[in-house]
Amino acid sequence: DIQMTQSPSSLSASVGDRVTITCRASQGISSWLAWYQVKPQKAPKSLIYAASNLQSGVPSRFSGSGSGTDFTLTISNLQPEDFATYYCQQYDTYPLTFGGGTKVDIK
Amino acid sequence: QVQLVQSGAEVKKPGASVIVSCKASGYTFTHNGIIWVRQAPGQGLEWLGWISPLNGDTIIAQKFQLRATMTTDTSTDTAYMELRRLTSDDTAVYYCARGRGLFPDYWGQGTLITVSS
Repeated sequence: DIQMTQSPSSLSASVGDRVTITCRASQGISSWLAWYQVKPQKAPKSLIYAASNLQSGVPSRFSGSGSGTDFTLTISNLQPEDFATYYCQQYDTYPLTFGGGTKVDIK
Repeated sequence: QVQLVQSGAEVKKPGASVIVSCKASGYTFTHNGIIWVRQAPGQGLEWLGWISPLNGDTIIAQKFQLRATMTTDTSTDTAYMELRRLTSDDTAVYYCARGRGLFPDYWGQGTLITVSS
């Protein structure tokens, strides 16, 4: 199985900050990478597909980049509603696998 | 608008089976796959599998292949996920999602399955 490693596992930030989360795949996955936002008691929200494409309705302060094995999710100008846990997922090879998550909380 | 409405929470005993339903609306059901993902308490996301409502093809994670069955009913635009021989490790919120390819773009609200004696 492809292992997805996210870092950091948690971070504290302030409203208005720029936040970067990284995700590394144990083998190349081209651009078959997605990012999700998960809040307690809520369904996941899909943010980005194919490494850098913003899902419809997602604010433009979210952006993704990378290909191969190394990827990043950047949130510019962090907003109060962005405090959540973020997961990456590869969908290149079965079984599809998720990273361990990055919890973004308020500093 | 695209909506996926899942069945309600259930409590099951170890060894039992559970069926979670996922009713789709707002799009042509056979045009997109249905993806199943779960999240155990305090844990991350785990991919269970995918089914095509068009032809019934499934891809189920090897971990669940012997215990999970995914089906669809195109007459009611509903997808089903059955999980058998439940253990406490199966306690989780189960989500269905519409697949754009293998990318889940719209999600159901989730179904909590609790396995407890």
